[in-house]
Amino acid sequence: DGGITQSPKYLFRKEGQNVTLSCEQNLNHDAMYWYRQDPGQGLRLIYYSQIVNDFQKGDIAEGYSVSREKKESFPLTVTSAQKNPTAFYLCASSAGVSGNTIYFGEGSWLTVV
Amino acid sequence: AQSVAQPEDQVNVAEGNPLTVKCTYSVSGNPYLFWYVQYPNRGLQFLLKYITGDNLVKGSYGFEAEFNKSQTSFHLKKPSALVSDSALYFCAVRDVGSYIPTFGRGTSLIVHP
Repeated sequence: DGGITQSPKYLFRKEGQNVTLSCEQNLNHDAMYWYRQDPGQGLRLIYYSQIVNDFQKGDIAEGYSVSREKKESFPLTVTSAQKNPTAFYLCASSAGVSGNTIYFGEGSWLTVV
Repeated sequence: AQSVAQPEDQVNVAEGNPLTVKCTYSVSGNPYLFWYVQYPNRGLQFLLKYITGDNLVKGSYGFEAEFNKSQTSFHLKKPSALVSDSALYFCAVRDVGSYIPTFGRGTSLIVHP
């Protein structure tokens, strides 16, 4: 099936640890995105990538890092520098041309314990 | 600059009645407008979009939205609500030439039996 796969669905992290959330898409989309969702705050953009080997910071990039070594993959690392990482993380992709629809994965819950 | 507002945090409607979820936007150029739905612990699902052409856009699950340029609005509508329509709805806008959409804060739709 075509789509965007995020893993794991649920992840628990101890304070001081880095964790990586996986995002893979088989839609042949050029652009990929990471959003953070907190209750009542809508979606906030963490990072986005328009093309392989290139990515840009979004509105809340501090404490996060990404890589885009392959077109289909855009992993997000939540570092220990992120002060309040507990949230729902959404990966998305689009064909990259302005006006094209963004499609989302099923999301990953990260909880700091 | 682009922005979008969803003025209602929650909309309540009885099953079988028509529903409207409001969205207004601001862009410097021509807008690309989107509606998404999110069920608990799931990613956002695309419902419909306006790029150009007819002001009335039809989408998935019987939803439609009307683009009103003079009022800068893009309200989501459905003639007859179902209990299963209860979810969180997001409006998004993207200015021409921008890769990055701006999402509203979301409106919780509750359909009562």
